[in-house]
Formats: sequence, C-alpha cells, structure tokens
Amino acid sequence: AQSVAQPEDQVNVAEGNPLTVKCTYSVSGNPYLFWYVQYPNRGLQFLLKYITGDNLVKGSYGFEAEFNKSQTSFHLKKPSALVSDSALYFCAVRDINSGNTPLVFGKGTRLSVIA
Amino acid sequence: GAGVSQSPSNKVTEKGKDVELRCDPISGHTALYWYRQSLGQGLEFLIYFQGNSAPDKSGLPSDRFSAERTGGSVSTLTIQRTQQEDSAVYLCASSTPGGLETQYFGPGTRLLVL
Repeated sequence: AQSVAQPEDQVNVAEGNPLTVKCTYSVSGNPYLFWYVQYPNRGLQFLLKYITGDNLVKGSYGFEAEFNKSQTSFHLKKPSALVSDSALYFCAVRDINSGNTPLVFGKGTRLSVIA
Repeated sequence: GAGVSQSPSNKVTEKGKDVELRCDPISGHTALYWYRQSLGQGLEFLIYFQGNSAPDKSGLPSDRFSAERTGGSVSTLTIQRTQQEDSAVYLCASSTPGGLETQYFGPGTRLLVL
C-alpha cells in the first residue's frame, strides 16, 4: 500500500526566511513524487515532481524539493519565502510501476508567510 | 492552452436530492480522475477512467456515487440521494496516457448539502 504523511498541519514563517514543508512516503517499489499547491478557492496547481535522477528537483515559483531515499522523504523548500506563497501544500506519491493510477495524497500543510 | 474545467463551481442542494458534477479534461488527455477534498481530510480518490478501459471505481464511498465518461472526454459524477457528509470539494484531474504523466487539476466544484 502507498501512503503519504505530512506531519505538520500548519507552518508559519516570516517573509524572507527559508521555508520547509515536510513529507514522508511509503511505497512498495520506487516512488513517483509530487508537490501541488492550492490557493484559496482554486484547484491544485502542479509545482514539481521527482521520478529519477538528481535528488534535488526544481519547480515553479522558486520551489525545490529534495528526495531522500534512506529517509523516505521529499521535503519542499524555498530559500526565501514570500507572502504570496501562503497556501495549502499537498505531497503525493505513487509507485512508478503501478501505471497511470491515481495519486495518494497527504492531508496537506497550510503555509502562512507573515510580512 | 485551456486547462481542466469543472461546473458548476458551487452547488447547494437539499439532503436527498441528486446532483451532477461535470468535468471537461484537457484536450487529448485520455486519463481522467475524480477526487474529493473534505475539510481536514486531504484528497480522497473516487474514480479513474483510462481511455476505453473499464473505470477503476475502487474509491467510490457508496453506491450512491457513480460516474460516466462520454466519448472519452467529458465526465459526469452523479451523487444520488445526497447526504450532509457528501459536502466537500470535488476535484477532477486529467493526464495524457503513459505511466509517468502529471495530473492537472480543475478548479473544483464546492458541494454543500443542507
């Protein structure tokens, strides 16, 4: 079975400071990992994904995520937070070998960037 | 280009009524997914269509929920005899065929059952 854990319901960070939103996963095979962001009253927007290769993945809006196989983690990071980054962030996973199947999502982490 | 569209954006209904939610996927996307987002519960998979294959209905919470996809494009999610616990945001996503494709989401339909 596949699962995703986002241990923090809420993350608060001051504008200009680095931010990290945590994600750990569990799959039986090799993971295919995603981060999505949801702004108020909007659908989910794709930020970045990891399939294979370099463990540091760069995505939209200056976000990046680091895949750590030994820790089964895929934390989302940004060097300098903006107030406009305030949103709900979802980590998702599926097994690479499971075909074009639905993603398993975490419960989401609400990021609040304070000016 | 056009993204995934969903209608209506908001729906308020009375308990016991039937509702239909519509999803227009991105043109050329043969895979279509329905998810439900409840407050504090993250996203819950409901049903998945891939081309002409039989849909994966394993996520549907009860037999009151059904979905169809006509002509391999537009999909309709139907909830019969709605209950208050059905209140949620219903999200549709689509992707191109293949095993490593990104799912792109629509804006969702916010359903409130009174």
